[in-house]
Amino acid sequence: SQQGEEDPQALSIQEGENATMNCSYKTSINNLQWYRQNSGRGLVHLILIRSNEREKHSGRLRVTLDTSKKSSSLLITASRAADTASYFCATEPYNTDKLIFGTGTRLQVFP
Amino acid sequence: KAGVTQTPRYLIKTRGQQVTLSCSPISGHRSVSWYQQTPGQGLQFLFEYFSETQRNKGNFPGRFSGRQFSNSRSEMNVSTLELGDSALYLCASSSLAGVREQYFGPGTRLTVT
Repeated sequence: SQQGEEDPQALSIQEGENATMNCSYKTSINNLQWYRQNSGRGLVHLILIRSNEREKHSGRLRVTLDTSKKSSSLLITASRAADTASYFCATEPYNTDKLIFGTGTRLQVFP
Repeated sequence: KAGVTQTPRYLIKTRGQQVTLSCSPISGHRSVSWYQQTPGQGLQFLFEYFSETQRNKGNFPGRFSGRQFSNSRSEMNVSTLELGDSALYLCASSSLAGVREQYFGPGTRLTVT
């Protein structure tokens, strides 16, 4: 079974608005990563947050990690139509050296 | 640098046949991982190769196998294809062993009829 569950499954917003996606996982992790996928193509790595970090920023992206709740959130600020894609969280469970993907959130940004 | 390339991009096979997919990593990357993506099961880890050795594998039957060559190019083979093997197969490369900050290829879409 998948390690991560993402919420919501789908999100529709207008350009300029912020988009927040949440990820919950089940076991202790080394790190958590977020990826973007456009229309069933390859994934693009967005950001990695280690288990001892609580927040990380990259451009318009802000990721938080709460290991006590086993959850993470991805915030995209000032969204653009080009942000339309599926977003996946992926965890590297402790001592496994494997990447376990969540179910993904489909984001639609309307111009 | 050129990105990760996968060939072929699309493939249609018949149940019972076998298939070989190819992945060329980013130049200098020695780790190649393979993933299967289906609507029902999502993205699932198949295996990782580093310096021609399989470092890790997921929970897939023995029909799924792979190898890596000395130039880091990797191939994945699926024998005795089943309808459920229809999926997007993604490979990812990394400069280090393991699964951090991987660079993904565009995928090979396999349809089994």
